[in-house]
Amino acid sequence: DADVTQTPRNRITKTGKRIMLECSQTKGHDRMYWYRQDPGLGLQLIYYSFDVKDINKGEISDGYSVSRQAQAKFSLSLESAIPNQTALYFCATSDYNTEAFFGQGTRLTVV
Amino acid sequence: KNQVEQSPQSLIILEGKNCTLQCNYTVSPFSNLRWYKQDTGRGPVSLTIMTFSENTKSNGRYTATLDADTKQSSLHITASQLSDSASYICVVASGGSYIPTFGRGTSLIVHP
Repeated sequence: DADVTQTPRNRITKTGKRIMLECSQTKGHDRMYWYRQDPGLGLQLIYYSFDVKDINKGEISDGYSVSRQAQAKFSLSLESAIPNQTALYFCATSDYNTEAFFGQGTRLTVV
Repeated sequence: KNQVEQSPQSLIILEGKNCTLQCNYTVSPFSNLRWYKQDTGRGPVSLTIMTFSENTKSNGRYTATLDADTKQSSLHITASQLSDSASYICVVASGGSYIPTFGRGTSLIVHP
């Protein structure tokens, strides 16, 4: 089993719909992150969490919300999806000052 | 604002050749610098990590260098293979919170 699992792997949704992307990890790490990747733009940080009671906005949090349900689970929600949120989304985990372990990504298309 | 700039944006080389990728950063205070390899459609995977006191670190055919004074790093790939075709991302963590700042990556294509 993968250390970081994202579901779904692919999703097509309509403009205005609410959608949730889920992430779970078996690394036992406290820190979890959600990133968005667009072609040619690299990875942009959406939200991050240092522990269950900690949620922080990243560079591009507008239009997104998150929930840290447990140490191992961190979900990303788009309350009302719009086409420019079409992108590849990655969840990652790390410990304090260690490398980040990434999930396989969720390819989201908003039509 | 913390920034990480990578060059070139893309690179095409022939199998067996060497190449060097560059990374310049303005992250402060500096904690560490990592190079990640990202295969198409997959999550990045760490190749090397360098701290302030380290100048060179190797991982097989990958050798990373760091000049903390000029805030530059390079990733040298020796005897390239087709499987080296990927995006290489420079990531710098700032001291204290260790929040990483990602570069946009260099897309490397190795042709037979």
